[in-house]
Amino acid sequence: GAVVSQHPSRVICKSGTSVKIECRSLDFQATTMFWYRQFPKQSLMLMATSNEGSKATYEQGVEKDKFLINHASLTLSTLTVTSAHPEDSSFYICSAPLTARVVGKQFFGPGTRLTVL
Amino acid sequence: GENVEQHPSTLSVQEGDSAVIKCTYSDSASNYFPWYKQELGKRPQLIIDIRSNVGEKKDQRIAVTLNKTAKHFSLHITETQPEDSAVYFCAASGGTSYGKLTFGQGTILTVHP
Repeated sequence: GAVVSQHPSRVICKSGTSVKIECRSLDFQATTMFWYRQFPKQSLMLMATSNEGSKATYEQGVEKDKFLINHASLTLSTLTVTSAHPEDSSFYICSAPLTARVVGKQFFGPGTRLTVL
Repeated sequence: GENVEQHPSTLSVQEGDSAVIKCTYSDSASNYFPWYKQELGKRPQLIIDIRSNVGEKKDQRIAVTLNKTAKHFSLHITETQPEDSAVYFCAASGGTSYGKLTFGQGTILTVHP
């Protein structure tokens, strides 16, 4: 099956620093990727849709200047949490559909646990 | 946008019993409904999915039913085992939120030996 990787798996940083998370589709091309955030004991909440070659689409309430998304290639999307604060500590997960033409199965990355001190 | 409600939030069963988790959705144009199992600190794993042109789908001990008219779908797990213990999420996609998954709140399933 299709594989999506994420790096790093865990990151601890100081308040005010920026953190970059990478999401890669290893054996397929993904023109679209999705970024989710999951707080402890809560559901996955979609943050933004990453589109290859164009600007990301952010969900209501998600600050685009704080969560920078770049989808520079068909296999890589990056999420940068700028000026991170303790309230940004969460589990960040990306996903990619096998094809953007038909709504269907998505493949999730293993997630990145961000802890901001 | 789409809104998905999931019940119950916790479910405790004895090994061998059946478990049923229910979800409702708001966007009548949604057409893809996956169910995920998530263990602590891990990625969601797809366990079964159903499209809007099908009313029921089964895979061994797991089945999903969909009622488009009422806009609800359910997960049925039979002969539960302790390893089925996890958090289960329903989701909906398609329609006006094309491609994006909207998740339910999750159900913590505990199967007691």
